[in-house]
Amino acid sequence: DIQMTQSPSTLSASVGDRVTITCRASQSINTWLAWYQQKPGQAPKLLISQASSLESGVPSRFSGSGSGTEFTLTISSLQPGDFATYYCQQYNSYPLHFGQGTKLEI
Amino acid sequence: QLQLQESGPGLVKASETLSLTCTVSGASISSFTFYWGWIRQPPGKGLEWIGCISNSGTSYYSASLKSRVTISADTSKNQFSLRLSSMSAADTAVYYCARRPRYYGYDHWGQGTLVTVDS
Repeated sequence: DIQMTQSPSTLSASVGDRVTITCRASQSINTWLAWYQQKPGQAPKLLISQASSLESGVPSRFSGSGSGTEFTLTISSLQPGDFATYYCQQYNSYPLHFGQGTKLEI
Repeated sequence: QLQLQESGPGLVKASETLSLTCTVSGASISSFTFYWGWIRQPPGKGLEWIGCISNSGTSYYSASLKSRVTISADTSKNQFSLRLSSMSAADTAVYYCARRPRYYGYDHWGQGTLVTVDS
């Protein structure tokens, strides 16, 4: 299995801040990585696929980068609706594990 | 517009088998290059991938659940299903069904259904 590790587990920030979340894979997954945003009581929402490809309708303040084993999700200027939990997921090979999540809080 | 809807019991007894169905509307589960998956989330915890089934009917499972899980599809009803045997309190979670296009993450999700195990 490929294990996914996110850091930090919790991130405190303010509106307007630039924040970065890191996701590490236990072995190379090329760029087969997705990022999700989840708000309480809601299903996850896909933000980014292929490590850096933004989904349609996702604001451009979200960006992803990386390849191999290290990846980042950056939010350039936090908006109030961005405070949520973020997950990475590898889909290079089965099983398709998620990271443990990063809670972004005010 | 693509929609996925989970259905099944909200309460199961310990040691019993959970059966959930995901009804898909707005797309055919037989469509090429899509994978139909199940993901769960225990209360207050993170996401756990359970498994998925391809448009050709091939299933893939989490190693930790493989001995207890079966995912199948009924193309005539445009549904896919999850069976999880030997349920315990640790299986209490919100269960989501979702679609993953080839080369992408899960782009469409059901609303999720809470399954509680009565131990």
